Amino acid sequence: QVQLQESGPGLVKPSQTLSLTCTVSGASISSGGYYWSWIRQYPGKGLEWIGYFYYSETSYYNPSLKSRVSISADTSKNAFSLRLSSVTAADTAVYYCAADISTSENAFDIWGQGTMVTVSS
Amino acid sequence: QSALTQPASVSGSPGQSITLSCTGTSSDIGGYNYVCWYQQYPGKAPKLIIFDVSSRPSGVSDRFSGSKSGNTASLTISGLQAEDEADYYCSSYTSSSALYVFGPGTKVTVL
Repeated sequence: QVQLQESGPGLVKPSQTLSLTCTVSGASISSGGYYWSWIRQYPGKGLEWIGYFYYSETSYYNPSLKSRVSISADTSKNAFSLRLSSVTAADTAVYYCAADISTSENAFDIWGQGTMVTVSS
Repeated sequence: QSALTQPASVSGSPGQSITLSCTGTSSDIGGYNYVCWYQQYPGKAPKLIIFDVSSRPSGVSDRFSGSKSGNTASLTISGLQAEDEADYYCSSYTSSSALYVFGPGTKVTVL
């Protein structure tokens, strides 16, 4: 059974870099076939897809964040990470990692429990 | 502002059927059969209940069904139960560089 677990600081100061890690169990992020994504949910509940990492060292980002975001993998820890630079209060959200494991490559059928990140001084 | 449009709320009595709509454009819902629906309880992560317009993941009740007509996708919940009270989000693959877009969500209330 595949499980995802987010970790990282819950409070980030404005202009700093937000860094989160998603640890994967039950599947290997380097074995191919899955897209490992980050999705965030604003306090008003709207969802936004941030981007994904694919095992071939391919990453793809939402253009709305492209200049500030980076998603990479640490295969030794079977984890993938999100870095979002120059954060503002508008980046306050619950951040989820998610993946397409058993259904369609265009569906997020596995989600982490989410981690709340607040941007504030 | 969400790329897809959903009604803010829908309600129904136990046992009834309700239908939630999700409207997009020919660049997303109308152009691809990659519509998903997610159910979310307060404080929990979204859960996939419909993928590829009308397919259900293993373990999801057959009371949930999905369909699409033109640029509008629909989720029908039949035999409404108290446990169905939750927020429901639609999403779609899009030909825009954003790849995936979501609706703002519909709150389902069981009367």
